[in-house]
Order: sequence, then C-alpha cells, then structure tokens
Amino acid sequence: DQQVKQNSPSLSVQEGRISILNCDYTNSMFDYFLWYKKYPAEGPTFLISISSIKDKNEDGRFTVFLNKSAKHLSLHIVPSQPGDSAVYFCAASDAGANSKLTFGKGITLSVRP
Amino acid sequence: ETGVTQSPTHLIKTRGQQVTLRCSSQSGHNTVSWYQQALGQGPQFIFQYYREEENGRGNFPPRFSGLQFPNYSSELNVNALELDDSALYLCASSDSPYSNQPQHFGDGTRLSIL
Repeated sequence: DQQVKQNSPSLSVQEGRISILNCDYTNSMFDYFLWYKKYPAEGPTFLISISSIKDKNEDGRFTVFLNKSAKHLSLHIVPSQPGDSAVYFCAASDAGANSKLTFGKGITLSVRP
Repeated sequence: ETGVTQSPTHLIKTRGQQVTLRCSSQSGHNTVSWYQQALGQGPQFIFQYYREEENGRGNFPPRFSGLQFPNYSSELNVNALELDDSALYLCASSDSPYSNQPQHFGDGTRLSIL
C-alpha cells in the first residue's frame, strides 16, 4: 500500500523551460512534505519542503505547491538547467512521535541542453 | 559543518552472514534514522534512534537492529542476511525527532548479498 505516489517514472524537458514534478498521497495524517534530489552514487539531498498549513513555498528556482483537498503536491523548477537532471523523490511525514519519512518511488528528470 | 558520513561505501556478503553498517550524524544532530532503498524504489524507513533509544520502527523483522552512541553516531546490524537484503542503506540525521525539519542523508552503503 503506497502512501506516497509518484506515478510518472520519468520526465524530459528542454533547458530553460519549466519542469513540473507531481506527487500524490493517501494518508490524511501527513502534515509535512519534502522534495529530495538524488544523483547517482550520492545520498538524497534536501531541496525544499512545505508544511500543511501552507499551499506554496518558494526557494529560488524551486516552488512547491500543496493542494490538501486533492492530496496532491507538485514541484516546479523554473528555469530548468542541465544540472537539475537527477532523480527527485517526494516524501511526507506526520505529526507522530517520530519524523519518519515515507517516500515515493521517484521521478527521473532529464533536462536537455 | 560536517555532514552525514557512512561506512563502508560498498560491502559484499553471503546469505546467512551478519553485517554492521556505520553512520556519523551531522554536527549538532541528535536523531538518526535508517532507510533501505531497493533498486527502483524510494527509501523505506527501518527505524529511528533518539538519545540512544529506538524511537519508531518500520515494517522490518527483528534481525534488523540498531544502536546509537553518546556522540549520536549509529550502527545498523542485520543478522541472517537474505538475498532480498541487497540494497542501498541510507542514514539520515536531524536535530529533533519531533520538529518539522529536513533530514540530511549520507551517501549510503551499497550492500550486495550473494
């Protein structure tokens, strides 16, 4: 039973254009959402997060949108750069006794020069 | 500021053996979580340690066990290794088990079971 779903395994975009990565979740107890980027042979690197009390958080080229009623979040990267090519994981946690993260399967983003 | 470091980077074992993986948390972080990432999957939560006590566990059998030391470094031990234990094992640290702060990951240990 996957509680965090990234249904598109891959995305290819042209350099300079917008990349939109989607994520859906089923657990209504989730209240904190994160995006991680992972390069081969490296661990996941934290990118951006959003609390459930917000619907948008922005950090430079990266913006995360949260739609709680639809249980959906998305990561927008504008403009996309070749260095953004990596696997992107959506993760979520709830306000329980620990901060365990539940991850999606990841999306492979390729940015074409 | 020192990040999360894990050792070894790669390890090859055979079925039935035991393995110990090590993790040094980021400076100032007192909470360590371990994750297993199988090929093509996202990381799965194994357990978390806070102040040397287990603070939550995922759906993993008891042969997966851990320790956290007073300096907040941690070990993951796996007994009676099975072929399905082949995976990337990731350690993540954070400054609290309760706050909504991001966990910071090491580069992982790639474990292969023959």
